[in-house]
Amino acid sequence: DIQMTQSPSAMSASVGDRVTITCRASQGISNYLAWFQQKPGKVPKRLIHASSSLQSGVPSRFSGSGSGTEFTLTISSLQPEDFATYFCLQLNTYPWTFGQGTKVDIK
Amino acid sequence: EVQLVESGGGLVKPGGSLRLSCAASGFTFSSYSMNWVRQAPGKGLEWVSSSSGSSGYTYYADSVKGRFTISRDNAKNSLYLQMNSLRAEDTAVYYCASRGGEDWGQGTLVTVSS
Repeated sequence: DIQMTQSPSAMSASVGDRVTITCRASQGISNYLAWFQQKPGKVPKRLIHASSSLQSGVPSRFSGSGSGTEFTLTISSLQPEDFATYFCLQLNTYPWTFGQGTKVDIK
Repeated sequence: EVQLVESGGGLVKPGGSLRLSCAASGFTFSSYSMNWVRQAPGKGLEWVSSSSGSSGYTYYADSVKGRFTISRDNAKNSLYLQMNSLRAEDTAVYYCASRGGEDWGQGTLVTVSS
């Protein structure tokens, strides 16, 4: 199975900060990676698919990059509504696997 | 507008069974793969199972293989998850998700406890 190692597991940041979250795959997954945002008590929301394609309706401050084994989600300027937990998901090979999550809270 | 509505969750004793349903609307259900993803209380997301659109292929996480069965009725735009031999560690909110997670239902809670 492909393991997804996400880092950091938690971070504190301020409004306006640039935030970077990384996922590393244990083997190459091409660009079959998605990023999700989940707020407490809410349903996960897909932000990015195919590593770098922004989901319709998602603000442009979110961006994704990477291919193979190293992937990054970047929030260019953190907004109050962005405090949440973020997950990556590899869809290259079954079983699909999620990263452990990154909780972004207010500094 | 895409809608996914799960049902069938509840409290069940260890070793028991439960069948989850997901009613889909707003897209051509038969053309798309569908998935079940779960989230234990306070934990991360775990992919459980997938069903291809029309080819009939199904896939399972090792943690549920041999106990859970995914199925679909394209005529009824519905996805199912038959869960047998349930364990305490199966306690979670179960989400139905379309394709690569583009759309999600609101989830249904399954609690396995004596």
